[in-house]
Amino acid sequence: GAGVSQSPSNKVTEKGKDVELRCDPISGHTALYWYRQSLGQGLEFLIYFQGNSAPDKSGLPSDRFSAERTGGSVSTLTIQRTQQEDSAVYLCASSLMNRDGQPQHFGDGTRLSIL
Amino acid sequence: AQTVTQSQPEMSVQEAETVTLSCTYDTSESDYYLFWYKQPPSRQMILVIRQEAYKQQNATENRFSVNFQKAAKSFSLKISDSQLGDAAMYFCGLAAGNKLTFGGGTRVLVKP
Repeated sequence: GAGVSQSPSNKVTEKGKDVELRCDPISGHTALYWYRQSLGQGLEFLIYFQGNSAPDKSGLPSDRFSAERTGGSVSTLTIQRTQQEDSAVYLCASSLMNRDGQPQHFGDGTRLSIL
Repeated sequence: AQTVTQSQPEMSVQEAETVTLSCTYDTSESDYYLFWYKQPPSRQMILVIRQEAYKQQNATENRFSVNFQKAAKSFSLKISDSQLGDAAMYFCGLAAGNKLTFGGGTRVLVKP
């Protein structure tokens, strides 16, 4: 079956522009996560969605970052007024539900480069 | 708060040999799960092995096995009979509550 799909694969934009990153989780997965991975670093948690519950936004680094998940499926991560430090790979993951240690399935990520 | 620490930035192993990656963690949760993920240059995170904290028996998945020491909060990964395809970044992860926290990663180099 299809895995987690992220688009675009790569995005280059100028400082100050807004960007939208898309994540299409595995069908039936109710939990969805966004992470940021800077060059040579580990994964930094950004935001988590579980079903219809209010998202856990505790990892968002600033109010320039926001995310939504429409219809409990596709999610969009938006970065407004991008800065050079936003350059990173943004990874999305989904899991069946956030219980019993269900493993997260990751997409291939979006490499974001801010000029 | 929960933390995961991988103290080895890079490990090198000869093909067919064994390498062990260390991971220590801290959490106040009593119910948690531990994972090892592999990230090859393709960027995709691939689940290698999973361990339930309430299970004393160490998880094994083919050539991959863990040494889970709950009291010491240690969760090391052993790769046996290393293959060239094992070369990647390896991340230790701790799932507790609704968060999965990762360590900084260990790069594994496999020498032919």
